[in-house]
Amino acid sequence: NAGVTQTPKFQVLKTGQSMTLQCAQDMNHNSMYWYRQDPGMGLRLIYYSASEGTTDKGEVPNGYNVSRLNKREFSLRLESAAPSQTSVYFCASSEELSQSANYGYTFGSGTRLTVV
Amino acid sequence: AQSVTQLDSHVSVSEGTPVLLRCNYSSSYSPSLFWYVQHPNKGLQLLLKYTSAATLVKGINGFEAEFKKSETSFHLTKPSAHMSDAAEYFCVVSERTGFQKLVFGTGTRLLVSP
Repeated sequence: NAGVTQTPKFQVLKTGQSMTLQCAQDMNHNSMYWYRQDPGMGLRLIYYSASEGTTDKGEVPNGYNVSRLNKREFSLRLESAAPSQTSVYFCASSEELSQSANYGYTFGSGTRLTVV
Repeated sequence: AQSVTQLDSHVSVSEGTPVLLRCNYSSSYSPSLFWYVQHPNKGLQLLLKYTSAATLVKGINGFEAEFKKSETSFHLTKPSAHMSDAAEYFCVVSERTGFQKLVFGTGTRLLVSP
């Protein structure tokens, strides 16, 4: 099925370790997003990429970096993981950032990350 | 800036009874509004959307929502709950100008008992 694929689905890290969360979409969408979901806080935007070659900070970018590798792939990196980064991470995509209000986003199934 | 408030963190209903999940929004411009559903350990699925056409919007699985500008509300309803409706529901707003960022509410967990 076409959609957004995230890997891995689950990960446990020790404080200070690094890792990269992978995201790929096969819908030829231009815009991609990384969110984190925490209990009682809904989804908060970490970084987004309006188009290939561009990235911008969202609401909660501290402690994260991103790479828009090509049109399909948008990765999220934690350089030195902290317990506060324990969360569920969702990648999403939309055809165009300027059309998001018409169509919404398509979401991946999430990565559940625990930092101990 | 836009925002949404989901008035209930948890809603409990019995199977076969009506569902009402409440959402109020704030927006400087004409908004688009969405409801997403998240089943346990799954991603988010679009349930329905309002994008300035008909104010009563029908979605999947028998859900519908009505956009009421005078009340700044976009409540989600379903006439008869099914066990499979148990999930978390997110109300989402986006302004139809500039950076059309989706802003999420904090979620309402719907519990359905037999």
